[in-house]
Amino acid sequence: AQSVTQPDIHITVSEGASLELRCNYSYGATPYLFWYVQSPGQGLQLLLKYFSGDTLVQGIKGFEAEFKRSQSSFNLRKPSVHWSDAAEYFCAVAPEGQNFVFGPGTRLSVLP
Amino acid sequence: DGGITQSPKYLFRKEGQNVTLSCEQNLNHDAMYWYRQDPGQGLRLIYYSQIVNDFQKGDIAEGYSVSREKKESFPLTVTSAQKNPTAFYLCASRSRRETQYFGPGTRLLVL
Repeated sequence: AQSVTQPDIHITVSEGASLELRCNYSYGATPYLFWYVQSPGQGLQLLLKYFSGDTLVQGIKGFEAEFKRSQSSFNLRKPSVHWSDAAEYFCAVAPEGQNFVFGPGTRLSVLP
Repeated sequence: DGGITQSPKYLFRKEGQNVTLSCEQNLNHDAMYWYRQDPGQGLRLIYYSQIVNDFQKGDIAEGYSVSREKKESFPLTVTSAQKNPTAFYLCASRSRRETQYFGPGTRLLVL
C-alpha cells in the first residue's frame, strides 16, 4: 500500500534560520508529489508540486523542494524562515489517476 | 475569483440530528473530495466523486452520506449514525493536472 511518512511531528526554528522538512513515500513508481501548508483553522494551500522533469521545484513563499528518486524523498526547504511560516505542513503523493495519500503533517514553530 | 467555498464555517449538531455541510466550486473541476481532520492528525478521506451523479466511499464513509447532482456542488451529510462527528471537515476539488485545491473548512461541534 502507498504510504507517506513525515518523520518530524514538530520542528522549532529561529526566525531567519534555514528549514528542511522531510517527506518519504512508499510506492512502486514515481507518483505526483505535493507540499501543502495549513494555518490554524484554515484550509490547505498548495506550496508546490512535482510531476516530472527538473527535480528541484520552486514554489510560493520562497519554498523549494527536491525530489530524490533513489531515496523516495521529497523534502521541503526554505533558506530563511519568517515568523509567518509557522503552520502545519503536509506532504502528499498521488499516483496518476488515483487518490491522494497525505502524510501526518509536521508542525513548524518559529522563535523570534 | 475562482475557488472553493464551504459553509458554514462553524456548525453545531445536537444528539440524533443530521447536518449538512456545503461545498461549492467554480473551478470547473470534475472530481471533488471530502476529508476529515482531527486535532494533530492528517487528512482522512470520507467520500469522493469523479463525475456528476457518481461517488465512491473513502476510508471512513460510515455515518456520512453525499450527493453530486451538479458539477459545482458536493454536499456532505453527517448522519446521526456518526457517533464521533466533532472534527474539521475539508472539501477539495481536483484539476485535470492532478492537483487538489481546498476550501477553507467547516468545524463541526456537538452540543
